[in-house]
Amino acid sequence: AQSVTQLGSHVSVSEGALVLLRCNYSSSVPPYLFWYVQYPNQGLQLLLKYTTGATLVKGINGFEAEFKKSETSFHLTKPSAHMSDAAEYFCAVSEGFGNEKLTFGTGTRLTIIP
Amino acid sequence: ETGVTQSPTHLIKTRGQQVTLRCSSQSGHNTVSWYQQALGQGPQFIFQYYREEENGRGNFPPRFSGLQFPNYSSELNVNALELDDSALYLCASSLREGQNIQYFGAGTRLSVL
Repeated sequence: AQSVTQLGSHVSVSEGALVLLRCNYSSSVPPYLFWYVQYPNQGLQLLLKYTTGATLVKGINGFEAEFKKSETSFHLTKPSAHMSDAAEYFCAVSEGFGNEKLTFGTGTRLTIIP
Repeated sequence: ETGVTQSPTHLIKTRGQQVTLRCSSQSGHNTVSWYQQALGQGPQFIFQYYREEENGRGNFPPRFSGLQFPNYSSELNVNALELDDSALYLCASSLREGQNIQYFGAGTRLSVL
């Protein structure tokens, strides 16, 4: 069974400050890892993904995440927060090809302080 | 814009009724997954269809059922609605032989009164 834990249901940062959203996972097989963003009253938009290869992955809107197998983590970062980054962020894990079911964390609501 | 469309966008039903939600996949995708997102929670996997066959199911009762059509569009049916079924229902399409990326629609918000 797989699971995802997102530490911090609410995170507030000042505009221009570093954004760090934490995600730890549990998986019995090499995981595929994803970050999705959800704006109010909308569906989920893929920010970035890790499947295999380079452990530092870059996504859209200046976000990046690093897969650390030893720490079972996949934290999301952005060097400088923008007001438009305010949204709900979800970390998700799957077992990959043949079992694409996504298991999501409970989400982190990011607030940007002007 | 993901190319995945869901209808209707909002729906109000009463307890005990039945509901059908619809999803059109992104062009070229052959796999559809359905998720339930309760208020303040992450999405929960309901089931997945690949080439018209169910290919995995989450912890949901049999009154949640689905279909995938030859054009890979899909329906989610829920019978005997309960108050706890009130949620945002998300459809995601993907290509099984591709990079395992699911693209989500905007969802259908179901309210059960």
